[in-house]
Amino acid sequence: KAGVTQTPRYLIKTRGQQVTLSCSPISGHRSVSWYQQTPGQGLQFLFEYFSETQRNKGNFPGRFSGRQFSNSRSEMNVSTLELGDSALYLCASSLVGAGSQETQYFGPGTRLLVL
Amino acid sequence: SQQGEEDPQALSIQEGENATMNCSYKTSINNLQWYRQNSGRGLVHLILIRSNEREKHSGRLRVTLDTSKKSSSLLITASRAADTASYFCATDAGSNYQLIWGAGTKLIIKP
Repeated sequence: KAGVTQTPRYLIKTRGQQVTLSCSPISGHRSVSWYQQTPGQGLQFLFEYFSETQRNKGNFPGRFSGRQFSNSRSEMNVSTLELGDSALYLCASSLVGAGSQETQYFGPGTRLLVL
Repeated sequence: SQQGEEDPQALSIQEGENATMNCSYKTSINNLQWYRQNSGRGLVHLILIRSNEREKHSGRLRVTLDTSKKSSSLLITASRAADTASYFCATDAGSNYQLIWGAGTKLIIKP
């Protein structure tokens, strides 16, 4: 079974631009979670989607948004990029979601650099 | 928000030695998981321990959970160079579809 895939793997943007990151979960998984990882802040929860519905959202500004499609693939968008948005963005999938004693399967991440 | 705190932040040991990492958390949990991350890549699940379990083993890994102290430890026995990575604990504190992550322990195994 193929693992979680994320595209692109690396991205360089300039301040003020917007970016869209994509995540394809493991086949059959309906829950997708997104995290931002930075050296200073560790792993920060962005949001979780299940069957195209956002079930939970972390403490990030409205510039961060996401969605999930009927095939469970998910995208996240960051508008008006700031230097502080430079980070590794990770997505994770599971069958029904964190909180159900399930393992989360992570993708390799998208490394975003904002100049 | 960060619920878990790993201790130590960094650990450097010789190959073959045992490595112990600790995780403390703040609220009651349903389960606690440990994950490994190799050098800026995705995380890999290692082991899950439920709140009614006290100890669990998986190969060279041994995890303990003390809910009265709100802490867990991960022991890696007979460490290998390939164990060099960052180790994170994550707790499930309810049904809000979110894991709460610690800041991680960076483990370096010296050959």
